[in-house]
Amino acid sequence: DAEITQSPRHKITETGRQVTLACHQTWNHNNMFWYRQDLGHGLRLIHYSYGVQDTNKGEVSDGYSVSRSNTEDLPLTLESAASSQTSVYFCASSGLGLAGDVSYNEQFFGPGTRLTVL
Amino acid sequence: AQSVTQLGSHVSVSEGALVLLRCNYSSSVPPYLFWYVQYPNQGLQLLLKYTSAATLVKGINGFEAEFKKSETSFHLTKPSAHMSDAAEYFCAVNGQNFVFGPGTRLSVLP
Repeated sequence: DAEITQSPRHKITETGRQVTLACHQTWNHNNMFWYRQDLGHGLRLIHYSYGVQDTNKGEVSDGYSVSRSNTEDLPLTLESAASSQTSVYFCASSGLGLAGDVSYNEQFFGPGTRLTVL
Repeated sequence: AQSVTQLGSHVSVSEGALVLLRCNYSSSVPPYLFWYVQYPNQGLQLLLKYTSAATLVKGINGFEAEFKKSETSFHLTKPSAHMSDAAEYFCAVNGQNFVFGPGTRLSVLP
């Protein structure tokens, strides 16, 4: 069965360190997304990609970067981790809909990565 | 710009009672609307989606939602709550961008 996986599931790091969170999907979806979930803020979009070599900033992109070198993976990098980036991170993917309409299809979510920055 | 509001950050119902979770949206383009459920320590799972085919949408686990354009609403209902329905529920709109509401935590009391 197709799926979307995230690793690690839990990560503790120190302020100032670089951290990379992995996201891998086997749906063959063009679109991939990274969100963070914080109490009182719901889900906020960090970065997204509509295909290989395409990346776009979301609502809360400062301090994060992504790269898309293939269809299956969209790693999220925290260049210099800060305590404010302690959160649960979710990766999601979606396919093209009717006539290429990206808005038609739902997003499929990974299980999440809980990141703690000390 | 699109936005989603969910009335009530926390809703409690008794087992067997009606579940009603409210969602209102704003969108400058015809929207596609979704309800997701999140169980503790898990990712989001799609409950149902509205894509203009029918205004009353049936989803998994006995949930359904009705799209009302005049009220810009997409409320989620279930006739009889079960203990296993306790979770966080998110409404989302997809038009220009995918936007989630803040979520409603549903508690089911025995």
